[in-house]
Amino acid sequence: EAQVTQNPRYLITVTGKKLTVTCSQNMNHEYMSWYRQDPGLGLRQIYYSMNVEVTDKGDVPEGYKVSRKEKRNFPLILESPSPNQTSLYFCASSFVGQGAGNTIYFGEGSWLTVV
Amino acid sequence: DAKTTQPPSMDCAEGRAANLPCNHSTISGNEYVYWYRQIHSQGPQYIIHGLKNNETNEMASLIITEDRKSSTLILPHATLRDTAVYYCIVRVMLLTGGGNKLTFGTGTQLKVEL
Repeated sequence: EAQVTQNPRYLITVTGKKLTVTCSQNMNHEYMSWYRQDPGLGLRQIYYSMNVEVTDKGDVPEGYKVSRKEKRNFPLILESPSPNQTSLYFCASSFVGQGAGNTIYFGEGSWLTVV
Repeated sequence: DAKTTQPPSMDCAEGRAANLPCNHSTISGNEYVYWYRQIHSQGPQYIIHGLKNNETNEMASLIITEDRKSSTLILPHATLRDTAVYYCIVRVMLLTGGGNKLTFGTGTQLKVEL
């Protein structure tokens, strides 16, 4: 089954304690990205990656890092989390290019609370 | 990407067709219309997309006006499980990563009732 899998799904952490949210897809997609969703602000893109070792900033990259060492994985790293990073996070993936094959698939989300 | 306008909420009786409108009057010739939905706080789910022709799949139908300035998503027989926020997104297909970003608006909260 085609999937985008995120872990953990729920996490409560303390300010300043580094954490990583993992994302893995099994569809051989070149493109992967991270969004956060906040009430009243909708979904906003954090970072994206066109392929292995190619990453770029989205709309709200401050306070986040990413890496793309393997095609299937795209972890989101919070080096020093702060309470304003409390949010619902989604990983997404797709093929690159035009056409129907470019549908973007989302993971189930990761609830992160920073206290 | 062009901006979209959707009604904030709609109600539909179970078993009836749900018709969700979207205005995208500034759409460009190379921009597609995509529909996603989000049930509670689950990951957004792809529904359908189109460029200029009407499209149908197992989930829904997409009707795009001839001038492409608006579209309607049709759920032919809505069920309680179709209660969700529906997002209409206009998206240009590029070969660069920027073309893969989805810009979500506030969407339409569809409530399907008995």
